[in-house]
Amino acid sequence: DSGVTQTPKHLITATGQRVTLRCSPRSGDLSVYWYQQSLDQGLQFLIHYYNGEERAKGNILERFSAQQFPDLHSELNLSSLELGDSALYFCASSAYPEEGFEETQRNEQFFGPGTRLTVL
Amino acid sequence: DAKTTQPNSMESNEEEPVHLPCNHSTISGTDYIHWYRQLPSQGPEYVIHGLTSNVNNRMASLAIAEDRKSSTLILHRATLRDAAVYYCILRDVQTGANNLFFGTGTRLTVIP
Repeated sequence: DSGVTQTPKHLITATGQRVTLRCSPRSGDLSVYWYQQSLDQGLQFLIHYYNGEERAKGNILERFSAQQFPDLHSELNLSSLELGDSALYFCASSAYPEEGFEETQRNEQFFGPGTRLTVL
Repeated sequence: DAKTTQPNSMESNEEEPVHLPCNHSTISGTDYIHWYRQLPSQGPEYVIHGLTSNVNNRMASLAIAEDRKSSTLILHRATLRDAAVYYCILRDVQTGANNLFFGTGTRLTVIP
C-alpha cells in the first residue's frame, strides 16, 4: 500500500459526458502528479501540482483539467469524453521538494492504484 | 528529455539473477537514472536511482557504465513477485522537472 488513494476504482460512462477523478496523496506529500496509461500510448504524464499550484503540464488535453485543494487532495476533471479517453488514470504523490540533496534527487513518487475509465 | 531504449521483454528462471539493460546514449551530465516497475494491476513503484556510481538497495542493484551511456538493473534472485514491467527513466535535475517520462519498458517474466 503506497498510501495514495484514488476514487473511484472503476468508472463507466458515455461519450460526451464529464467525470471527476479524485486523489488523496500520502500524508505530508505536497506534490501530486497525474498520469494516463492507455494500451497504445503507454504511461504518459499529464500534470503536476505542488501545494495547490500547477507546476508542470505534460500531454494533457484541453478537455482535461485538474486542481489541488488546500487539504492537498487533487481532482482530475475530464469533459466531452471520447472513446479514446478510456484508460487507467494514476495519481502519484511525492514530498518534493524534499529536505536534503540526495532526497530531492531521488524524488520517489508513490503511485495510487489507479482509476479505470471506460468510455462507451 | 533524453530517451532510453530497453528490450521489450525478458525471461528469467525463479531464483536466478536477472540483468535488465537500458541504453541512454544521449544522457546529459545532469540526468539521473531512475528505475520504476509496475506489477500487474498496480501503479508503478520506485526501484532505484543513481548518477554515476553503482548503487545497491534492498530491492536491486544498479550498475552504470563508465561513460553513462547505458545501465543495468540487477535483481539478484528473481522471485515470482518480480514479474513486472521495468521502466528506465532519465530525470534531469537541472531543469527541476519532477514528472517521470515512461518509455515502453521491459516486461519481465519469471518462470517457476
